[in-house]
Amino acid sequence: AQSVAQPEDQVNVAEGNPLTVKCTYSVSGNPYLFWYVQYPNRGLQFLLKYITGDNLVKGSYGFEAEFNKSQTSFHLKKPSALVSDSALYFCAVRVYSNSGYALNFGKGTSLLVTP
Amino acid sequence: NAGVTQTPKFQVLKTGQSMTLQCAQDMNHEYMSWYRQDPGMGLRLIHYSVGAGITDQGEVPNGYNVSRSTTEDFPLRLLSAAPSQTSVYFCASSGRLNQPQHFGDGTRLSIL
Repeated sequence: AQSVAQPEDQVNVAEGNPLTVKCTYSVSGNPYLFWYVQYPNRGLQFLLKYITGDNLVKGSYGFEAEFNKSQTSFHLKKPSALVSDSALYFCAVRVYSNSGYALNFGKGTSLLVTP
Repeated sequence: NAGVTQTPKFQVLKTGQSMTLQCAQDMNHEYMSWYRQDPGMGLRLIHYSVGAGITDQGEVPNGYNVSRSTTEDFPLRLLSAAPSQTSVYFCASSGRLNQPQHFGDGTRLSIL
């Protein structure tokens, strides 16, 4: 089964410092990986994806993610955190069959950026 | 441009009652899916679909039924609600394989 794991329930970082939110994956075949963000009482918003190509993927709001095949990781990064980045972050892997396409999500990591 | 619309936003049910959570999208998307979100569990896939008449089960399908009679609508049915189904339910759609999924704002369901 296609799955991802987020080993940290919460990440705390000071505003202006770099941030990393970790994700590892377990898949059969090629991995198709995604990051989403959720603000309180809202649905999820797409940040970025890795399908193929460059290992460094750039996304929305200054976020980027590094795909590492040897470590089966897809960590989310940002060079300089903002207080407004505080939210719940989800890593996800594609689920695909003849019946459709969906996502299997990790349990989420709560990011708190302090002033 | 409504995107993905879920109704109702909130619902309280008694154990054993049935109900349908509605999901509609106006983007002509082929792919639609249902998830439930529980604290500490992330989002878990319930059912998904690639078009009218085609659906498949996700990680946690038990207790839920779906059907897809049109491209726009993908309702989720609880035939006999149980307290374990208390959750926040999200519907999502995508126009093409591997394109980002667009999420609705969710339905908060409590079962007493």
